[in-house]
Amino acid sequence: LAKTTQPISMDSYEGQEVNITCSHNNIATNDYITWYQQFPSQGPRFIIQGYKTKVTNEVASLFIPADRKSSTLSLPRVSLSDTAVYYCLVGTPQGGSEKLVFGKGMKLTVNP
Amino acid sequence: EAGVAQSPRYKIIEKRQSVAFWCNPISGHATLYWYQQILGQGPKLLIQFQNNGVVDDSQLPKDRFSAERLKGVDSTLKIQPAKLEDSAVYLCASSLRRDNTGELFFGEGSRLTVL
Repeated sequence: LAKTTQPISMDSYEGQEVNITCSHNNIATNDYITWYQQFPSQGPRFIIQGYKTKVTNEVASLFIPADRKSSTLSLPRVSLSDTAVYYCLVGTPQGGSEKLVFGKGMKLTVNP
Repeated sequence: EAGVAQSPRYKIIEKRQSVAFWCNPISGHATLYWYQQILGQGPKLLIQFQNNGVVDDSQLPKDRFSAERLKGVDSTLKIQPAKLEDSAVYLCASSLRRDNTGELFFGEGSRLTVL
């Protein structure tokens, strides 16, 4: 079971770049790393997914070192609306409940 | 494109009563998931369907929870009888890919309060 560990919370300010780390020491060869964002009273929303090195989309970048035992979600120039819970997940290309396991996530608070 | 639809948004029942939640996934999405999210915790997978077949229901409390996905589209999650600890948000999600490497699209959830 590929388990993830994240900080409980983080505070930031508008306009800053925020880097959120996730540890996944037991990641398997076929596992992908996926990040979700969740606002209160809403379902989680996909942010980005990667397997190795760096992935970038219009909202974030995902950095994965060569050993893949950790990953970093980078949010450029955060705003108040980025205040949310962020989940890091690892998943394998097989069905089963051990896949796509959500942890408690990390609460990001962006201050004015 | 319409998102994942869930109903009802809120439900309050007394313990030992029954409740049912409905989910309509995004059109064309073969995989459907039901998650339970207790306040302050991450979502926990209850059951995963591929079309109308169950891929995994190992964390579904089968003595009181049941789910079906007739015709491989809509799905219903039922709880009978409900317990206090079932108070949670029940999230439905769907995806195109079976192998969990694709994006999951979540609905807004159904919040259950058991008194």
